Amino acid sequence: EVQVVESGGGLVQPGRSLRLSCSASGFTFDAFAMSWFRQAPGKGLEWVGFIRSKVYGGTTEYAASVKGRFSISRDDSKNIAYLQMNSLKTEDTALYYCSRYGGRSDYWGQGTLVTVSS
Amino acid sequence: DIVMTQTPPSSPVTLGQPASISCRSSQSLVHSDGDTYLSWLLQRPGQPPRLLIYKISNRFSGVPDRFSGSGAGTDFTLEISRVEAEDVGIYYCMQATHFPWTFGQGTRVEIK
Repeated sequence: EVQVVESGGGLVQPGRSLRLSCSASGFTFDAFAMSWFRQAPGKGLEWVGFIRSKVYGGTTEYAASVKGRFSISRDDSKNIAYLQMNSLKTEDTALYYCSRYGGRSDYWGQGTLVTVSS
Repeated sequence: DIVMTQTPPSSPVTLGQPASISCRSSQSLVHSDGDTYLSWLLQRPGQPPRLLIYKISNRFSGVPDRFSGSGAGTDFTLEISRVEAEDVGIYYCMQATHFPWTFGQGTRVEIK
């Protein structure tokens, strides 16, 4: 069974950093791209970023709102994708989801909540 | 960035009746590889999004056949042939043809 599980969320002060993890199971992780999304309280869905599989260079893409502050990486030996979030702002408060991508964002986790507040 | 415009924002429907949601993109969603990466997702209350339809019209595994997608280029439609209680939630269209990926604002489907 394909599963992705996000973790690492919590309460953090503005300007600080946090790293989220996306643990995957039930599929050949290194064959898939992975993507991160977020949803601010009461708002719609927003794409955050994307990491290609190593076959496609493992390169990344980011939304303008997080570029230069957030970075995505992956450890194929552990089946984990990471979202490193630096210089956090109050507007980064959201439920963060990761999703497997193979031409479609087909499996989503339950999300992990990040609250940025002093 | 590509703007995805969904209509209507809200759709009250009677159980067993059809529903239709429109999604229009500000640019063509045809990728250079020939595919169109337009998906439909449903987010039930308190739940993560769930993929219903990908590449315009392909139903994802386990999605009932009352859901269908159609369209091309910049105009897309999700149709539910007979709405059931479990279909309540917010429907989003999403394009993954061009970076940054973008979503429609969502359409809330509720039972009358």
